[in-house]
Amino acid sequence: QKEVEQDPGPLSVPEGAIVSLNCTYSNSAFQYFMWYRQYSRKGPELLMYTYSSGNKEDGRFTAQVDKSSKYISLFIRDSQPSDSATYLCAMGEGNAGNMLTFGGGTRLMVKP
Amino acid sequence: GAGVSQSPRYKVAKRGQDVALRCDPISGHVSLFWYQQALGQGPEFLTYFQNEAQLDKSGLPSDRFFAERPEGSVSTLKIQRTQQEDSAVYLCASSSEVVYYGYTFGSGTRLTVV
Repeated sequence: QKEVEQDPGPLSVPEGAIVSLNCTYSNSAFQYFMWYRQYSRKGPELLMYTYSSGNKEDGRFTAQVDKSSKYISLFIRDSQPSDSATYLCAMGEGNAGNMLTFGGGTRLMVKP
Repeated sequence: GAGVSQSPRYKVAKRGQDVALRCDPISGHVSLFWYQQALGQGPEFLTYFQNEAQLDKSGLPSDRFFAERPEGSVSTLKIQRTQQEDSAVYLCASSSEVVYYGYTFGSGTRLTVV
């Protein structure tokens, strides 16, 4: 079993829909939780960065972390065709130089 | 430059060839990471540099993989005697701080071993 699990999709939604993306993890030492967006043939781009449990909102994006359930979510409101990409969750333990552990990514398609 | 630059963007190597992949991080960034991303998968950690010091190479899959960052800026990932299973996108990322996970990634080098 992988340390970070993520449904690969694809997830197809109509424009304007609310999108929910999720990851589960097994390592209790993870304290930092990120969501990256990756367009085809591009590198991952940071969307949301959170520490420990709670919610964080940035425009149309909301990240939620529930450390007790080892579950994180990304919500996208008013989804746009330009949101079509692969969304990667990533986690770190917080030590200097410690690497990120990524989920496998969820492919999202927003249809006009 | 404004972002992390990687070259070449695409590389086709015959099995058994040696390859060298280059990463130019954002100027002044202390931390530099290499990740390997197989098709349809998330990136997997290979190695980490803090300035010129390679502090973690636990993710390098075999002794055929070697990375360096001799002057604390440009980094090179070298793969000797390439194998088909080395085919992947190799991503470089940099960060201005020692503990900060909001990396800036480059667009990667897509390596195909035939």
